[in-house]
Amino acid sequence: ETGVTQTPRHLVMGMTNKKSLKCEQHLGHNAMYWYKQSAKKPLELMFVYSLEERVENNSVPSRFSPECPNSSHLFLHLHTLQPEDSALYLCASSQDRSYRAQAFFGQGTRLTVV
Amino acid sequence: KQEVTQIPAALSVPEGENLVLNCSFTDSAIYNLQWFRQDPGKGLTSLLLIQSSQREQTSGRLNASLDKSSGRSTLYIAASQPGDSATYLCTAGANNLFFGTGTRLTVIP
Repeated sequence: ETGVTQTPRHLVMGMTNKKSLKCEQHLGHNAMYWYKQSAKKPLELMFVYSLEERVENNSVPSRFSPECPNSSHLFLHLHTLQPEDSALYLCASSQDRSYRAQAFFGQGTRLTVV
Repeated sequence: KQEVTQIPAALSVPEGENLVLNCSFTDSAIYNLQWFRQDPGKGLTSLLLIQSSQREQTSGRLNASLDKSSGRSTLYIAASQPGDSATYLCTAGANNLFFGTGTRLTVIP
């Protein structure tokens, strides 16, 4: 148990559906991240939130929409996804966004787009 | 741009053997080097974090070293066990967390 919890663990959705991924941490961290892990590729950073403000958006398509209502919760809203969006989506948190601090990851949500 | 490379991509060893996993990075201006373990379909579990001012860190049977000048880190696993089977990822922390593609380790009973 890393202190970062993601739900759901598995999600199958059609290309016309709308769903949301949830991430929660009670470690007192101020930075939270969404990563995408596709087969045989390095983890790709999608979004960074620091003190509830989005500070990085790495050219992610608009069909992915993050939301950070408070420092403990992070959502990734999904709509009109493509089959190539199927991947493991990982949430992480750290004390701050300087990357000096240790990063803690959740167990991930395995997303399948059909 | 920082590039992180892990060699080998896959490794199979018999139980009880000592082994070394390698990680190299192209830009030595890093804050830290972190090793993670990932079980199939699961998240990442942090194993060891080495700050840029440190040379090594140890936790149980694991020892990680860092040589910033040569852009290398190694993860040493002593007396390997089947439960060590997983993918091992290293990350270089700088203005971003840069990940390698991992080494998939299989320890054969």
